[in-house]
Amino acid sequence: AQSVTQPDIHITVSEGASLELRCNYSYGATPYLFWYVQSPGQGLQLLLKYFSGDTLVQGIKGFEAEFKRSQSSFNLRKPSVHWSDAAEYFCAVGPRGGADGLTFGKGTHLIIQP
Amino acid sequence: DADVTQTPRNRITKTGKRIMLECSQTKGHDRMYWYRQDPGLGLRLIYYSFDVKDINKGEISDGYSVSRQAQAKFSLSLESAIPNQTALYFCATSDPGTNLQETQYFGPGTRLLVL
Repeated sequence: AQSVTQPDIHITVSEGASLELRCNYSYGATPYLFWYVQSPGQGLQLLLKYFSGDTLVQGIKGFEAEFKRSQSSFNLRKPSVHWSDAAEYFCAVGPRGGADGLTFGKGTHLIIQP
Repeated sequence: DADVTQTPRNRITKTGKRIMLECSQTKGHDRMYWYRQDPGLGLRLIYYSFDVKDINKGEISDGYSVSRQAQAKFSLSLESAIPNQTALYFCATSDPGTNLQETQYFGPGTRLLVL
């Protein structure tokens, strides 16, 4: 069975500092990988996705993520965070081609210090 | 207008009541999903549908049922609500396209409180 681990429940970062959110997955085949963001009281917005090809993917709002097959990881990064980045971040894995839903991590709550 | 809409956005009900949550989409996608979100647990899949004739159980389908009335509409029902069904419920849609690389698009969520 597939699974996603986000080791950090909460992360606090100063505004302007760099950010890395960790995501490890377990999946039998080559995965589709996603990062979603949920702002307070809002739904889920797709930040970026990896299907194949270049292992460094660029997303919206200045985020990027790197797929590392050897480490089963798909960490999210941003070079300089803004106060508006405070939110809940979810990593998810999905099957290639099939459509039996996404498996989500439990989320990382990002707090931005002034 | 939003591509994926959910009604109601907020609902309070009592234990034992039947309740229906509705999802509509204008994206033209065949595949639709219902998830629930609980604090500290992320999102978990309840049911999903590939088309109007194809309904599948997800990870946590017990206590729920669904109806796919049309390509654009997918409803989730709680036949007899219980307090541990208090959660935030999300509908999502996807379309694999020609290269089978699908992305799920989420609605705004329905916050349900069962007293």
